[in-house]
Amino acid sequence: EVQLVESGGGLVQPGGSLRLSCAASGFSFSDYTMNWVRQAPGKGLEWVAYISTGGYSIYYADSVKGRFTISRDNAKNSLYLLMESLRDEDAAVYYCARSNSFDFWGQGTLVTVSS
Amino acid sequence: DVLMTQSPLSLPVTLGQPASISCRSSQSLVYSDGNTHLTWFQQRPGQSPRRLIYKVSNRDSGVPDRFSGSGSGTDFTLTISRVEAEDVGVYYCMQGTHWPPATFGQGTKLEIK
Repeated sequence: EVQLVESGGGLVQPGGSLRLSCAASGFSFSDYTMNWVRQAPGKGLEWVAYISTGGYSIYYADSVKGRFTISRDNAKNSLYLLMESLRDEDAAVYYCARSNSFDFWGQGTLVTVSS
Repeated sequence: DVLMTQSPLSLPVTLGQPASISCRSSQSLVYSDGNTHLTWFQQRPGQSPRRLIYKVSNRDSGVPDRFSGSGSGTDFTLTISRVEAEDVGVYYCMQGTHWPPATFGQGTKLEIK
C-alpha cells in the first residue's frame, strides 16, 4: 500500500525556518518524481515545488522561489522541504504528492506562521 | 501560467440526482505527445485530496463508475451520474500540461440539498 506521511509542521515566527519531511513507503520511491502542494486555511490547492527522481531537476512556484528548497534522499525514501524567511501567507497545510500526475497524497502537515 | 476556471463554485445536489462541474483552461491542454493532462481531485471534509480522474477521462482504481470525465482542448467536465452522500466535498481540476507550474481550479463545493 502506498503511504506518504508528512511531518515537521508547527508554529514558527515570521522570518523563521522550518523543515518538512515526507516519508514514503509501499512503492519504489526512487522511481517517482515528487511534489509539495499547500492549502491555506479555507482556501484551494497551490502547487509549491517539484523534484525529479534523481533530484537533478527542480522547480518552484514563484511565490516561494528563493526561500524554499526541495530535496530528497532516495536511500531513506524521504522527501524534504526546507522553508526559510517564512511569511504570514505561507501558513497552510503542506502535502507531499507522488508523481507528475499527483496520484497519491499524504495527510498533510500544518504550518502556522505567527508572532 | 495557465488559468483554470471552475464553475459552479457551489453545487447543491439532491441525493440520486446527477451533477456536473465545468473546468476551463486559458489555453489548450493538449501536450506535444498528444496527451491531455487534465486531472480531477476530490477532497472530502477533513481529508487530503484524492485523485479521481487523470488524462481527462481515466478513472483511478477504486473510484466508482458514477464518476466520469470528458472534454478536450480547453473545456472539461466532471460528471457524477447519481450523487451519493459520500460524494460531499470539494472538487478540483488541475492541468499538468504546461508546467511548471501545475495549476488548479478554485474548487467546487458539492453539498447535499
